[in-house]
Amino acid sequence: DTAVSQTPKYLVTQMGNDKSIKCEQNLGHDTMYWYKQDSKKFLKIMFSYNNKELIINETVPNRFSPKSPDKAHLNLHINSLELGDSAVYFCASSPYDRQNTEAFFGQGTRLTVV
Amino acid sequence: QKEVEQNSGPLSVPEGAIASLNCTYSDRVSQSFFWYRQYSGKSPELIMSIYSNGDKEDGRFTAQLNKASQYVSLLIRDSQPSDSATYLCAVRSGGSYIPTFGRGTSLIVHP
Repeated sequence: DTAVSQTPKYLVTQMGNDKSIKCEQNLGHDTMYWYKQDSKKFLKIMFSYNNKELIINETVPNRFSPKSPDKAHLNLHINSLELGDSAVYFCASSPYDRQNTEAFFGQGTRLTVV
Repeated sequence: QKEVEQNSGPLSVPEGAIASLNCTYSDRVSQSFFWYRQYSGKSPELIMSIYSNGDKEDGRFTAQLNKASQYVSLLIRDSQPSDSATYLCAVRSGGSYIPTFGRGTSLIVHP
């Protein structure tokens, strides 16, 4: 059983399109995250959701919007895709009330905007 | 702005040597510290976590934490070519619970 799964693994799309990346975790965690990893391997937090409430949004353009239908899912919607959005996007989850435990990552989605 | 700093490397060590990876952080109230390993094209996976000052050993890996100096390190003994990867330092503070990552250090272990 995959703990944190995200789909698709690869996504190639044209500029201006709208796309979504799905994420699901079966760990019973309360908090889920979206990270963006650039070509230099820097993992930057985009969103964190706890019990369906947005905790933080780190200077991310409003073209990006997280959607959480329930605490096991956190999807990422991206409108009007730009070349600079090309990166690997990772979903992760962790327990909320046990800060000493690590975040578990999905396998990543490599987004290429052409 | 919480920051986590790592030398990007690459750090190149011969097989069998000790690899030493370092990380500093800016938020003094940080309480949880993690080392992740990331192979090319893969997702980060946890290899060590440490919460108290001192050393924590797990097999060939030792994490060292010095909260007064805001410094955490990872030692890999008897380095193997399979240890070649990017090592990411992550820090969680009591306030946000969100792991903040450093930029990672690329480690190359050559035969």
